[in-house]
Amino acid sequence: DAKTTQPTSMDCAEGRAANLPCNHSTISGNEYVYWYRQIHSQGPQYIIHGLKNNETNEMASLIITEDRKSSTLILPHATLRDTAVYYCIVRANSGNTPLVFGKGTRLSVIA
Amino acid sequence: EAGVAQSPRYKIIEKRQSVAFWCNPISGHATLYWYQQILGQGPKLLIQFQNNGVVDDSQLPKDRFSAERLKGVDSTLKIQPAKLEDSAVYLCASSRPGQVLYGYTFGSGTRLTVV
Repeated sequence: DAKTTQPTSMDCAEGRAANLPCNHSTISGNEYVYWYRQIHSQGPQYIIHGLKNNETNEMASLIITEDRKSSTLILPHATLRDTAVYYCIVRANSGNTPLVFGKGTRLSVIA
Repeated sequence: EAGVAQSPRYKIIEKRQSVAFWCNPISGHATLYWYQQILGQGPKLLIQFQNNGVVDDSQLPKDRFSAERLKGVDSTLKIQPAKLEDSAVYLCASSRPGQVLYGYTFGSGTRLTVV
């Protein structure tokens, strides 16, 4: 079972920042937080991951709370193409641990 | 680099028929995964290969589903016989040894409709 809790859906105005929350209160010390997104009719796409420090790449920023029990994915300037289902996944980076997906958050970016 | 290739893109079959899906992972990716995604849900892992060996098939319904990865490259997933509840998107993903941190690359999937 997924070890994360996310809102079912969110809306965001085009050009504004989209902040997607995720709760992972049972996260273990060796588990990373991953974010993937799935645009309609495509496979999931890797966005970003982190352990305890905040991370930023060309797609998004990941803010992890100090106690690591929750995180927020930030899309700084959402566009219509960011409309997708966003999955927050907790996963240990040992061996071949698979990704376990929950239902994710459906983000709708509105013009 | 080329992505994960899957075929066919769509398939419609009648219940009790057989069907097979094909996946060609990214070159050099030793680990290959098959996921099943039912409408409105997140992907669910069916089977995981490391080279041509099975790492985890605990969630594969073995009475009707089978998968193989010959020579540690391409993989096929078969359903025989299909049931209505097998209607779903079947996703293949691969990852490179030593780059587990960066997750997987997924194909676009095969959408199966069982009527």
